[in-house]
Amino acid sequence: GENVEQHPSTLSVQEGDSAVIKCTYSDSASNYFPWYKQELGKRPQLIIDIRSNVGEKKDQRIAVTLNKTAKHFSLHITETQPEDSAVYFCAARQTGGGNKLTFGTGTQLKVEL
Amino acid sequence: DAGVIQSPRHEVTEMGQEVTLRCKPISGHNSLFWYRQTMMRGLELLIYFNNNVPIDDSGMPEDRFSAKMPNASFSTLKIQPSEPRDSAVYFCASSLRTGQGFNEQFFGPGTRLTVL
Repeated sequence: GENVEQHPSTLSVQEGDSAVIKCTYSDSASNYFPWYKQELGKRPQLIIDIRSNVGEKKDQRIAVTLNKTAKHFSLHITETQPEDSAVYFCAARQTGGGNKLTFGTGTQLKVEL
Repeated sequence: DAGVIQSPRHEVTEMGQEVTLRCKPISGHNSLFWYRQTMMRGLELLIYFNNNVPIDDSGMPEDRFSAKMPNASFSTLKIQPSEPRDSAVYFCASSLRTGQGFNEQFFGPGTRLTVL
């Protein structure tokens, strides 16, 4: 089955700085990579996703890059704000796996004033 | 739309008791997922259904866990008997599976289960 590794487990940045979270996956057949944000005590919510036929996707301050050859993808948050503080999860969907997602272990991002 | 609805939001029970968690997916969605979240193990998929049919239950920890989806608008996750190590937040999620298959999973608010 698919295995997703996520780094770092915790990340602390100053407000206004950029934050980068990286994930690797094991199954080269995986073709969909969403990122979820989970605030304390809340449910995970999708913030951005990328399909395997695209190398990069951007949505305002958030961007995701995908390197299929190396089997890794990254989340980039620019101009971080205190409200970006949360746990971020990457995930991967295998081809033929229905809509089943395998999640990374999460990154606790703290944006300090 | 009210989103994915889960009940109860909190459950405290004693070891050995039966626990039933409930989920109502978003209307029109045809895929439903049960996850368990703990600090130690993160977010784990327990089981998922397509069109009310269980597709993959490989994440169900053991026979004490069972899940049903009798119709498109309701699913249950049952633990019998419950044990302290089952304490976790259980999330239900739903999505609309189309021919492309790449559709967002919407999570419910979760049920925080504590087994004493």
